[in-house]
Amino acid sequence: ETGVTQSPTHLIKTRGQQVTLRCSSQSGHNTVSWYQQALGQGPQFIFQYYREEENGRGNFPPRFSGLQFPNYSSELNVNALELDDSALYLCASSPRWGLQETQYFGPGTRLLVL
Amino acid sequence: ELKVEQNPLFLSMQEGKNYTIYCNYSTTSDRLYWYRQDPGKSLESLFVLLSNGAVKQEGRLMASLDTKARLSTLHITAAVHDLSATYFCAVELAGKSTFGDGTTLTVKP
Repeated sequence: ETGVTQSPTHLIKTRGQQVTLRCSSQSGHNTVSWYQQALGQGPQFIFQYYREEENGRGNFPPRFSGLQFPNYSSELNVNALELDDSALYLCASSPRWGLQETQYFGPGTRLLVL
Repeated sequence: ELKVEQNPLFLSMQEGKNYTIYCNYSTTSDRLYWYRQDPGKSLESLFVLLSNGAVKQEGRLMASLDTKARLSTLHITAAVHDLSATYFCAVELAGKSTFGDGTTLTVKP
């Protein structure tokens, strides 16, 4: 059973650019959530996808968007990057109806916006 | 808006001692999680708690949930250096998880 993987591991962009981060869910998991974790803070919920549909969204502007594919892999897209977007981006997968199941986090993508 | 507060935010303790981390949340929830994060690493799941009175234990860590008080605790028994990390609680409601600010635990010999 493979775990959650993310790519790339590190990324440097400049203000105004666009970025796409990728996540491959753990086998058998149909729900994926994305989080932003700034240095020294707890993760902030961006959104969740279940069976390719957005299932919940946190307080992030529309320039943060996502996709989930039929194989349950996922993308996070951020347009018009700002300096404050510099953070660790984490995805987490879980089986939707497994109440006893927790979320399994990937290793994260560290994004630096200059 | 769901708010999650952890305390303390920083905890320095001696090996062999016991301590408790508290997690208060502001509204009803579907489930509550505890995670561990080592510096520069991702989050590792420790516990998921669903119902009032739920208690789970793994090694030196024990988590409990009181949904009426909207309080969860993470109790550390006979701390060892390997437990040094940041611990987060997170509350999930309708598919959205809200995290506390974390408790950074340092266990000293």
